[in-house]
Amino acid sequence: AQSVTQPDIHITVSEGASLELRCNYSYGATPYLFWYVQSPGQGLQLLLKYFSGDTLVQGIKGFEAEFKRSQSSFNLRKPSVHWSDAAEYFCAVARTGANNLFFGTGTRLTVIP
Amino acid sequence: DAGVTQSPTHLIKTRGQHVTLRCSPISGHKSVSWYQQVLGQGPQFIFQYYEKEERGRGNFPDRFSARQFPNYSSELNVNALLLGDSALYLCASSVTTGGDEKLFFGSGTQLSVL
Repeated sequence: AQSVTQPDIHITVSEGASLELRCNYSYGATPYLFWYVQSPGQGLQLLLKYFSGDTLVQGIKGFEAEFKRSQSSFNLRKPSVHWSDAAEYFCAVARTGANNLFFGTGTRLTVIP
Repeated sequence: DAGVTQSPTHLIKTRGQHVTLRCSPISGHKSVSWYQQVLGQGPQFIFQYYEKEERGRGNFPDRFSARQFPNYSSELNVNALLLGDSALYLCASSVTTGGDEKLFFGSGTQLSVL
């Protein structure tokens, strides 16, 4: 059975500090991996995705993520957080393509001045 | 360009009632998917439709049904509402270009069942 674990329910960082959000998955094969962001009252926006190839993936808004097969992880990073990054972040997997996504429970990010 | 539009934005129903949620995809997108997001949880896949055919179904009871129309818009229907159906219902449309499928989400319909 597939599963996605985001162990941190809530993270607080200072503006300008670095950020790492953790994601671990359990899947029969190498899945398609995604990070989405959701601001209050908004739908989900894709930050980045990994299908194959280079395990370090660059996304929008200065985010990057690294796929580590040996650890079944796909952690999201940003070197310097901005106040506008405060939101809920979801890691997701899919068998193929970008649809029929299986999401983790999310990590809420608070940014303090 | 208009994004994925959903209506209504908010809805209040009572247990046992029926509800219909509507979604208009981005122009040119032929695939529509529905997700349920319960408060404090990640979205959960309900259905995917492509060219009016059901392409995928998540682990939801038969009270949940959907359809896609010739203009690619979609409806999600839920019968015999339960308190546990209270959630944000997200619609997403997608397009595949060069083998790369891109998914775009609407802002959702917030359903409260009392």
